[in-house]
Amino acid sequence: GAVVSQHPSRVICKSGTSVKIECRSLDFQATTMFWYRQFPKQSLMLMATSNEGSKATYEQGVEKDKFLINHASLTLSTLTVTSAHPEDSSFYICSALGGPQETQYFGPGTRLLVL
Amino acid sequence: KQEVTQIPAALSVPEGENLVLNCSFTDSAIYNLQWFRQDPGKGLTSLLLIQSSQREQTSGRLNASLDKSSGRSTLYIAASQPGDSATYLCAVLNQAGTALIFGKGTTLSVSS
Repeated sequence: GAVVSQHPSRVICKSGTSVKIECRSLDFQATTMFWYRQFPKQSLMLMATSNEGSKATYEQGVEKDKFLINHASLTLSTLTVTSAHPEDSSFYICSALGGPQETQYFGPGTRLLVL
Repeated sequence: KQEVTQIPAALSVPEGENLVLNCSFTDSAIYNLQWFRQDPGKGLTSLLLIQSSQREQTSGRLNASLDKSSGRSTLYIAASQPGDSATYLCAVLNQAGTALIFGKGTTLSVSS
């Protein structure tokens, strides 16, 4: 148990467009989900904490108007990168808090390439 | 501000060797520490989780230790195999928060 999925796994888009990434906890409910970003050869950096039914909490330096987070249900959080630019190209990973060990379970990640 | 450092950044060993990966953190007020494995272009697989009150955890050929007072953890891999080749990430959960703080990882290559 405790499986987290992300969709899409890979996306290529043009500069200026918006991209939505979904994070789902498949077999458990998660009131809290996290969104991380990982640049090549760098560690995962927390972008925001997503709480079901309330506004997300963003880390310092992360633009909330650019990275829109919606956590509308206990099994789904979405991250929308608005007006994407090449510097937004990165690996985006979500995690969901819960499951059998009440810890964070990570999704497989989404590779975003903005041309 | 919590900072997590992993040494070495990369490691190459022949198959069968025992090896140790190191992780250090600056703030000892942690809730737990986790070791993850990440294959290229993939998500994270949790290997071991050590609660702040524990000293070590074992799973198969893996053993992780935690010395909270000195801000250190080690991941010991016995009898390494080519399938162990991956990046190993250390992450701590601070007592004050719910988010994990990650190190940059150690990239391990085991040759056959």
